[in-house]
Amino acid sequence: EAQVTQNPRYLITVTGKKLTVTCSQNMNHEYMSWYRQDPGLGLRQIYYSMNVEVTDKGDVPEGYKVSRKEKRNFPLILESPSPNQTSLYFCASSFSGTRGQPQHFGDGTRLSIL
Amino acid sequence: TQLLEQSPQFLSIQEGENLTVYCNSSSVFSSLQWYRQEPGEGPVLLVTVVTGGEVKKLKRLTFQFGDARKDSSLHITAAQPGDTGLYLCAGTTTSGTYKYIFGTGTRLKVLA
Repeated sequence: EAQVTQNPRYLITVTGKKLTVTCSQNMNHEYMSWYRQDPGLGLRQIYYSMNVEVTDKGDVPEGYKVSRKEKRNFPLILESPSPNQTSLYFCASSFSGTRGQPQHFGDGTRLSIL
Repeated sequence: TQLLEQSPQFLSIQEGENLTVYCNSSSVFSSLQWYRQEPGEGPVLLVTVVTGGEVKKLKRLTFQFGDARKDSSLHITAAQPGDTGLYLCAGTTTSGTYKYIFGTGTRLKVLA
């Protein structure tokens, strides 16, 4: 089954404790992206990757890191999480980043930073 | 920063009514997508429009991309409870980057 898998689905942690949210897709997609979803703000793009070893900032990259060492994986790293990073996070992938390509989303990771 | 404004933010209607959701920007987008999101799940693509003035139909849903590619609308005819959800528009930029800009969403509830 074609899917985007995120782990963990839920995480409660404390300020400053490094964490990684994993994202994996099995569709051989070139484009992958991370979003955060906050009430009243919709989805905001954090980082995206056009292909292996190619990443770029979205609209809200501060406090986050990503890497794309393999085509299927695109982890999101919070080196020193802070309470303002409490949010619902989504990973997405598409065949390419060119216009009109449908994005396939994971089921989300709810992060609470205390 | 490019923005996409959706209206209305919330909509509660009776089954059988028609509705229209709007997605507006001052910026030009190379394409516009509409997604629907259910609680506890990620957004799911409904449609993509890429040409100014383009109209696409998906059963009772009609999508339109503005002539200038700055706005879009989603019209639902004879809404059903199964249409309940969060509707999101998303545009891809024309600046040479491959960023997606999402609207703030319209939460629709259709009452039986």
